[in-house]
Amino acid sequence: QQQVKQSPQSLIVQKGGISIINCAYENTAFDYFPWYQQFPGKGPALLIAIRPDVSEKKEGRFTISFNKSAKQFSLHIMDSQPGDSATYFCAASMRSGANSKLTFGKGITLSVRP
Amino acid sequence: SQTIHQWPATLVQPVGSPLSLECTVEGTSNPNLYWYRQAAGRGLQLLFYSVGIGQISSEVPQNLSASRPQDRQFILSSKKLLLSDSGFYLCASGAGVNTGELFFGEGSRLTVL
Repeated sequence: QQQVKQSPQSLIVQKGGISIINCAYENTAFDYFPWYQQFPGKGPALLIAIRPDVSEKKEGRFTISFNKSAKQFSLHIMDSQPGDSATYFCAASMRSGANSKLTFGKGITLSVRP
Repeated sequence: SQTIHQWPATLVQPVGSPLSLECTVEGTSNPNLYWYRQAAGRGLQLLFYSVGIGQISSEVPQNLSASRPQDRQFILSSKKLLLSDSGFYLCASGAGVNTGELFFGEGSRLTVL
């Protein structure tokens, strides 16, 4: 059972366009939703994260939109650049407790064409 | 912030041979440590996590084992590798209270032939 589902599976965007990646979760106990960015041959790195008490968080060109009732959240990359080409993972966790762990989506490959 | 060191970076091993991947963490103390495996199209699969020295929890039954001999050292091992053990292995360290904030190493790519 996949608790965190990403869509689409891959995405191609022209330079300057908006990239939108969606994520849906099942466990209503999740209360922390990060996005990770991974370049080829490297480990993932935290890009931006949101908690369910806010509906949107913006950091530079990256925005997370969160819809608690629909159990969905999305990553928007404004003015997409070729340097944004990477694999993006959404994830979810329950912050409380020593055994809290991140559950990742399968990842989506974003290609930004020059 | 934390720095996660993993080695070796790449490894080619025959089926049936042993494995040892090592991870060390700088910049924090008493972190939660994790081993993930990444396979194409399957995302990041959590294999083991540890909340302290000698404390290991396994997420999936498999041919691998993990150990934490020191606070900031995490080791992934196997006595006999299988073809299905091939993959990209990532060590990660938690940031404490905010367990969603993981710092990942550069990964170890294992090919079993």
